[in-house]
Amino acid sequence: ETGVTQTPRHLVMGMTNKKSLKCEQHLGHNAMYWYKQSAKKPLELMFVYSLEERVENNSVPSRFSPECPNSSHLFLHLHTLQPEDSALYLCASSQDRTESPYEQYFGPGTRLTVT
Amino acid sequence: AQSVAQPEDQVNVAEGNPLTVKCTYSVSGNPYLFWYVQYPNRGLQFLLKYITGDNLVKGSYGFEAEFNKSQTSFHLKKPSALVSDSALYFCAVTPTGFQKLVFGTGTRLLVSP
Repeated sequence: ETGVTQTPRHLVMGMTNKKSLKCEQHLGHNAMYWYKQSAKKPLELMFVYSLEERVENNSVPSRFSPECPNSSHLFLHLHTLQPEDSALYLCASSQDRTESPYEQYFGPGTRLTVT
Repeated sequence: AQSVAQPEDQVNVAEGNPLTVKCTYSVSGNPYLFWYVQYPNRGLQFLLKYITGDNLVKGSYGFEAEFNKSQTSFHLKKPSALVSDSALYFCAVTPTGFQKLVFGTGTRLLVSP
């Protein structure tokens, strides 16, 4: 699990705060992902970056803003969140190659609580 | 659109007994199928995947899964459960060559001593 790290592991923020989640992968992968995990719901894919270009944006509210400065780092900038945004946010990475399947490697997640 | 169903919220099994965690899928075209496991306060860990070929796929920690195209199922199995197998298990599917994984809601496996 040390292949993908996430900081912070826990975050409590008010609805007017601005914060950022950080993800770093040490696996040499070229694709990175943000997921939202809420209780009793499937993992929700939020964003996909492939070769540092955003290729997927799953109708995520604009209060979530991703940034991928290079293939090893991924950020999720948060502002004016709502209580229903409280969840576990998971980062993942994979080697993006369309000619063969891949598996994604996940970080431990950031537990976000919006008060 | 692709989807995954895990019909059981929880599966209970005694240590040493065989276990099965069910998964059915819906996807256009040929599927790539995955199983992941999540332990408390951890991210998801890859267990195994089906691409093509033999319908029985072997993975980590003694787990295996059987792909059944006619029943569109990909059930996870283990011949002898361990207490340490207790965790949350996710099935996922993606159409061939597409990077967007669709996950099920997860099944909690509880193995009692």
